[in-house]
Amino acid sequence: GAGVSQTPSNKVTEKGKYVELRCDPISGHTALYWYRQSLGQGPEFLIYFQGTGAADDSGLPNDRFFAVRPEGSVSTLKIQRTERGDSAVYLCASSLSSSGGAHTQYFGPGTRLTVL
Amino acid sequence: KQEVTQIPAALSVPEGENLVLNCSFTDSAIYNLQWFRQDPGKGLTSLLLIQSSQREQTSGRLNASLDKSSGRSTLYIAASQPGDSATYLCAVRSGTDKLIFGTGTRLQVFP
Repeated sequence: GAGVSQTPSNKVTEKGKYVELRCDPISGHTALYWYRQSLGQGPEFLIYFQGTGAADDSGLPNDRFFAVRPEGSVSTLKIQRTERGDSAVYLCASSLSSSGGAHTQYFGPGTRLTVL
Repeated sequence: KQEVTQIPAALSVPEGENLVLNCSFTDSAIYNLQWFRQDPGKGLTSLLLIQSSQREQTSGRLNASLDKSSGRSTLYIAASQPGDSATYLCAVRSGTDKLIFGTGTRLQVFP
């Protein structure tokens, strides 16, 4: 595929459950970003990877949130013990690299998470 | 801490009008500024990216300017069309590689 893909597109879960959200970046993009967007707000940064390593995870709200990118391509955002406040659209983006900020970030369609 | 503000929050105009959307940021030490479009229930589409050394970028009917010293950017849309209806987000990249977004301007262009 030509763009960033995210699965599932929608996820409804119950409070306290564990969820995994998947992001498949554009082929060849070494940098991958996760953002969270609440209704009526702009996206907020969560974490980004340069290759396999998390270069900046300062946006993760607490230790219930974790993300991996084991082979430097697909990434999974994992949320434990979900809370109603976790309900949001989770956006993934990728870029050619993160060095110097020169490259455009390309966004996927997002995963809408609803915690009941 | 970098903060990004967009004015107005919402805008409704008749087709054919020229528009200006505003974005301001508190820390002028940025790498670049990017304008995005977001359609309801969709992800973000990059419209224009302005590097910190540039003053403006143009793509078709869109023109974005950047005044880093005053912490401002504007997105100019010429001859608006109903298909331009969407939320427009600006985001700055500073210090690290993450983007800091504004809350967006919701634009509606009616026929």
